[in-house]
Amino acid sequence: AQSVTQPDIHITVSEGASLELRCNYSYGATPYLFWYVQSPGQGLQLLLKYFSGDTLVQGIKGFEAEFKRSQSSFNLRKPSVHWSDAAEYFCAVGHNYGQNFVFGPGTRLSVLP
Amino acid sequence: KAGVTQTPRYLIKTRGQQVTLSCSPISGHRSVSWYQQTPGQGLQFLFEYFSETQRNKGNFPGRFSGRQFSNSRSEMNVSTLELGDSALYLCASSLGLAGTQETQYFGPGTRLLVL
Repeated sequence: AQSVTQPDIHITVSEGASLELRCNYSYGATPYLFWYVQSPGQGLQLLLKYFSGDTLVQGIKGFEAEFKRSQSSFNLRKPSVHWSDAAEYFCAVGHNYGQNFVFGPGTRLSVLP
Repeated sequence: KAGVTQTPRYLIKTRGQQVTLSCSPISGHRSVSWYQQTPGQGLQFLFEYFSETQRNKGNFPGRFSGRQFSNSRSEMNVSTLELGDSALYLCASSLGLAGTQETQYFGPGTRLLVL
């Protein structure tokens, strides 16, 4: 069965600093990869997704992610963090056989002024 | 287009009671998935409905059930509530099956507190 790990439970960065959130997946074939963000008390919002093609994908709010098959990773990056980016970030994997969509445990991002 | 809506937003129940949560998907979406979110277990998949049929089911006891109507609206029911059922229940809709390339759009959730 596929699985998703996010090694960092909580990350704190200063406003204006760069950000990288790690995501590793376990799946036999090429997965469909997603990053979602959840603000306190809210549902999840899609930041970006990867299905195929260019391994560097651009998303909303200035986020990007890079798919690295050799490392089974799909890390999320942002060059300059804003205070409004403080939230919980979830990496998730889907695939083509209709099995359950799987979320990682999430990484909580705090932003210092 | 209106987003995914969930009702009620907040709910307080006591152990042993049952509860029904409702989800209205984005217009045109045929798939509705339900997730339970707790601090300890994170986001866990409950089940998915597509065209009124349950397509996938997570590892939850039979007390958790759901259904989907012909207009794609979905309900989930939890019977004989336990304290551990306290959670945020999220509904997501997508055009096609959720475990594929389809993007899932999430509602704001229903926060259930079991006393």
